[in-house]
Amino acid sequence: KNQVEQSPQSLIILEGKNCTLQCNYTVSPFSNLRWYKQDTGRGPVSLTIMTFSENTKSNGRYTATLDADTKQSSLHITASQLSDSASYICVVSAGTGKLIFGQGTTLQVKP
Amino acid sequence: DSGVTQTPKHLITATGQRVTLRCSPRSGDLSVYWYQQSLDQGLQFLIHYYNGEERAKGNILERFSAQQFPDLHSELNLSSLELGDSALYFCASSQRDRGRTQETQYFGPGTRLLVL
Repeated sequence: KNQVEQSPQSLIILEGKNCTLQCNYTVSPFSNLRWYKQDTGRGPVSLTIMTFSENTKSNGRYTATLDADTKQSSLHITASQLSDSASYICVVSAGTGKLIFGQGTTLQVKP
Repeated sequence: DSGVTQTPKHLITATGQRVTLRCSPRSGDLSVYWYQQSLDQGLQFLIHYYNGEERAKGNILERFSAQQFPDLHSELNLSSLELGDSALYFCASSQRDRGRTQETQYFGPGTRLLVL
């Protein structure tokens, strides 16, 4: 069964600190993996997209990694800001054209 | 602003009713996707249209249907509504098809549906 699991479910950190969010998937065939940021009540915004051959991709203070062998991905946020408070969703695209979404990690950055 | 528009923003209706949600993709985008986001289910992919044709189906109920028109806007029709259909419905668009491509999907602001 195609699944995407994210951890932790929620996270609270202090402003300026770094954090890492995890995503494990069992999706076959694999096409690509995406990380989205979703502010409360708004549509998700794409952060990174990685294919099978890519190990790392950065977007400003966001760096995503992909290990296709272990089927794991992480999203690292550097020097967190209050505006980083949001849900972060890992999405895996199957070769069939379907997208499988993780449940998301809710991040709260406190001053 | 992603460039994707959705109407209405909010919708309150009763069980058993039928509603239509509308989505206008970004200028030039040929693909439209519909998603449902409820509190206990997270984001669920419903259906994908490309240039008027259905390309992929996700967890879409038989009571739900969608279409994409020649001007590329799309409508999601929800019928025989149940309390559990209360959710945020998002539309997203991308330039071409997806799957093996690294296309970014741009999400609209969503339609919040409340079924009473």
